[in-house]
Amino acid sequence: AQSVTQLGSHVSVSEGALVLLRCNYSSSVPPYLFWYVQYPNQGLQLLLKYTSAATLVKGINGFEAEFKKSETSFHLTKPSAHMSDAAEYFCAVDQTMNTGFQKLVFGTGTRLLVSP
Amino acid sequence: EPEVTQTPSHQVTQMGQEVILRCVPISNHLYFYWYRQILGQKVEFLVSFYNNEISEKSEIFDDQFSVERPDGSNFTLKIRSTKLEDSAMYFCASSEPSTRVQHFGDGTRLSIL
Repeated sequence: AQSVTQLGSHVSVSEGALVLLRCNYSSSVPPYLFWYVQYPNQGLQLLLKYTSAATLVKGINGFEAEFKKSETSFHLTKPSAHMSDAAEYFCAVDQTMNTGFQKLVFGTGTRLLVSP
Repeated sequence: EPEVTQTPSHQVTQMGQEVILRCVPISNHLYFYWYRQILGQKVEFLVSFYNNEISEKSEIFDDQFSVERPDGSNFTLKIRSTKLEDSAMYFCASSEPSTRVQHFGDGTRLSIL
């Protein structure tokens, strides 16, 4: 079964600093990987997805992630943090079942804190 | 941009009572899902629904849970006899097969007293 591991339940950065949120996956087949963001009292919003095309994926709000098969990683980065980036970030893998139906398996999430 | 809407945003219910959580998926989507997130824990898959029947369900989704698409636009999750451990944020999602992207609603916070 596919799974994802997010290292670090909290990451703190200063405004303008590099953001790096880590995600490692476990999958026996080429995975579909996603990053979602959850702002306070809101639902999960898709940041970006990897679906076996380009290994560097660009998403919304200046975020990007690089799929590295050799490291089984899909880390999320942003060159310069903004105060509005403070949120919870979830990495997820698409565990499509034998029936062909999809389900997402989420990591435990990383809360990004941005200080002035 | 079309979005998934969920009502109510917060539901408080006495233990043992029935509760129905409602969702309106994006109109042209064909696949529907429920997930839950217990406070401080990860988001967990509950059930997926396609063509008016359950396609997959997790071990969490026991006989106390049911889903329904009563009128072609709403998608509901019913918990027949709520327990304290059902307290969580419940998210509805929908997707179309071509993109493999699930779009989530803002969730319903369910509090069982």
